[in-house]
Amino acid sequence: AQKVTQAQTEISVVEKEDVTLDCVYETRDTTYYLFWYKQPPSGELVFLIRRNSFDEQNEISGRYSWNFQKSTSSFNFTITASQVVDSAVYFCALSEVGSGGSYIPTFGRGTSLIVHP
Amino acid sequence: SQTIHQWPATLVQPVGSPLSLECTVEGTSNPNLYWYRQAAGRGLQLLFYSVGIGQISSEVPQNLSASRPQDRQFILSSKKLLLSDSGFYLCAILSGGNSYNEQFFGPGTRLTVL
Repeated sequence: AQKVTQAQTEISVVEKEDVTLDCVYETRDTTYYLFWYKQPPSGELVFLIRRNSFDEQNEISGRYSWNFQKSTSSFNFTITASQVVDSAVYFCALSEVGSGGSYIPTFGRGTSLIVHP
Repeated sequence: SQTIHQWPATLVQPVGSPLSLECTVEGTSNPNLYWYRQAAGRGLQLLFYSVGIGQISSEVPQNLSASRPQDRQFILSSKKLLLSDSGFYLCAILSGGNSYNEQFFGPGTRLTVL
């Protein structure tokens, strides 16, 4: 069975600090996909990134970067020079390659990030 | 591009009353559709998913039901609401039915049961 753990329930930082959100996953599949979503106070989840299990290359997008390490089953998310607009709940999710047309991703419980001005 | 509509945006209902939440999708065909509930502002609980018209799978036994009368319409219903049904209900789609695709989420419906 697949599982995603986001051990950090809430993180509070001051603007311009760097912050890392942890995500640890469990899966028996060799082929799987990992995702990060952002849920701002408005409530709608927004997709941030997808990474497949064969691509361990880290990715940077502006102030956002992701560190995927299969050896530790982790897919951590770092925000550099945080801003108040980064305040949100962030979800990590895992998807295994399914069969029969059904697809049920597993979400972590989310990490609430609060960035103070 | 894909667009998900959910209505109503906010709803306050008394205990024991019926419920009908609607989700409609534009810009894609034959998507996988999902209903999630988020209680207390955290954690996504998958309630139902559908891979096609009339095909509904329930993840959690409860007093809610779902229907998919059309390819791009997904309805969440209840005959009698409970206090525990309060929460934020999100509709999501998965284009193409491929596990490597990300999900897109609608704006959500905030339900308060009094």
